[in-house]
Amino acid sequence: SQQGEEDPQALSIQEGENATMNCSYKTSINNLQWYRQNSGRGLVHLILIRSNEREKHSGRLRVTLDTSKKSSSLLITASRAADTASYFCATLYSGGGADGLTFGKGTHLIIQP
Amino acid sequence: EPEVTQTPSHQVTQMGQEVILRCVPISNHLYFYWYRQILGQKVEFLVSFYNNEISEKSEIFDDQFSVERPDGSNFTLKIRSTKLEDSAMYFCASRPRILNSPLHFGNGTRLTVT
Repeated sequence: SQQGEEDPQALSIQEGENATMNCSYKTSINNLQWYRQNSGRGLVHLILIRSNEREKHSGRLRVTLDTSKKSSSLLITASRAADTASYFCATLYSGGGADGLTFGKGTHLIIQP
Repeated sequence: EPEVTQTPSHQVTQMGQEVILRCVPISNHLYFYWYRQILGQKVEFLVSFYNNEISEKSEIFDDQFSVERPDGSNFTLKIRSTKLEDSAMYFCASRPRILNSPLHFGNGTRLTVT
């Protein structure tokens, strides 16, 4: 079954540094999305990249997608304490009728002030 | 900015009892979803709903679960006879019609089954 897996599971860096998180998946996809979750809260959409795109930017976020390796990365530049959260990748399977996103286990990012 | 709202924020129930979790999706969205997240684990897809019917459901969504859109604004998840393992955060989400559009999630209902 399709499964997104992020690594590392946890990442602790100093404020101002860049944070890179990776995601791998197993099946063909329609798109890949990254979400952030603050403790005890809902998921907030960050960025969506379609299967025919290779790179996308949004503010301090940069996402890459390599469909040949079935992997994606999320880069947060110039990190801030407020970036502390869990980050999840989620994939939309490209098979007919599929509508539910499959989430990975997430990367817990801690930004040290 | 419009948002998805869920009530209650926390529900405690006894094993075997029925619970109904409520959601108000964003008003012009057409696709609705329920996900759950057991503490410390990944977010899992339960069901998607479009045009007043289920469009996809996961293996988790067995006969104990049902969804309903009783009126033009609410979207509910019912668990008929709760089990201890149903304890989790339940998230409602919605999106507009466009295929490659992100989901908008509510803040979740924490369900505790004792």
